[in-house]
Amino acid sequence: SQQGEEDPQALSIQEGENATMNCSYKTSINNLQWYRQNSGRGLVHLILIRSNEREKHSGRLRVTLDTSKKSSSLLITASRAADTASYFCATDAGGNNRLAFGKGNQVVVIP
Amino acid sequence: DGGITQSPKYLFRKEGQNVTLSCEQNLNHDAMYWYRQDPGQGLRLIYYSQIVNDFQKGDIAEGYSVSREKKESFPLTVTSAQKNPTAFYLCAVGSYNSPLHFGNGTRLTVT
Repeated sequence: SQQGEEDPQALSIQEGENATMNCSYKTSINNLQWYRQNSGRGLVHLILIRSNEREKHSGRLRVTLDTSKKSSSLLITASRAADTASYFCATDAGGNNRLAFGKGNQVVVIP
Repeated sequence: DGGITQSPKYLFRKEGQNVTLSCEQNLNHDAMYWYRQDPGQGLRLIYYSQIVNDFQKGDIAEGYSVSREKKESFPLTVTSAQKNPTAFYLCAVGSYNSPLHFGNGTRLTVT
């Protein structure tokens, strides 16, 4: 069932700027995952954050999780043209990777 | 992802014909998943298998069938009963509480 819902749906920024995307969900989760998809390709995992974690970093990526508000955010700092892609959040309620994906957030980074 | 092979990349079929999409992995993961993606949409789970000779329906299993005779292979058959089969199909593999690894997808067009 669809659960994650990203906001905003589309984002266009200049290279070097930061990009922030939000994701909300409805039910309890075991973990929340962010993926990236380049056009016509498969998804690539970015970060997994567990329900007992509040923040995680990976390179230029920062993910936060607020389980009380059932929301997460993905921040990409100092964006590059190569960051142009669609970004999806996905929730895992049972830890078995039966993920519920949001509709995705299209990010365009203008050189 | 080099460890997951989906073939073919593009597939064209006439309405009323069954078609089988291939997914092979050499990452030694127990669990395999089939997702469907429609334009501008997130992923929806069709079927998943957590162990050889066992599989479960996802959220949109109607009109699809799968088999899991080997750990490395999880083929998906799109039957003539699937009313709107044209879509991008993604295979993924993973383990408990860990992120998924995706193949590069098969784009199926049925006319």
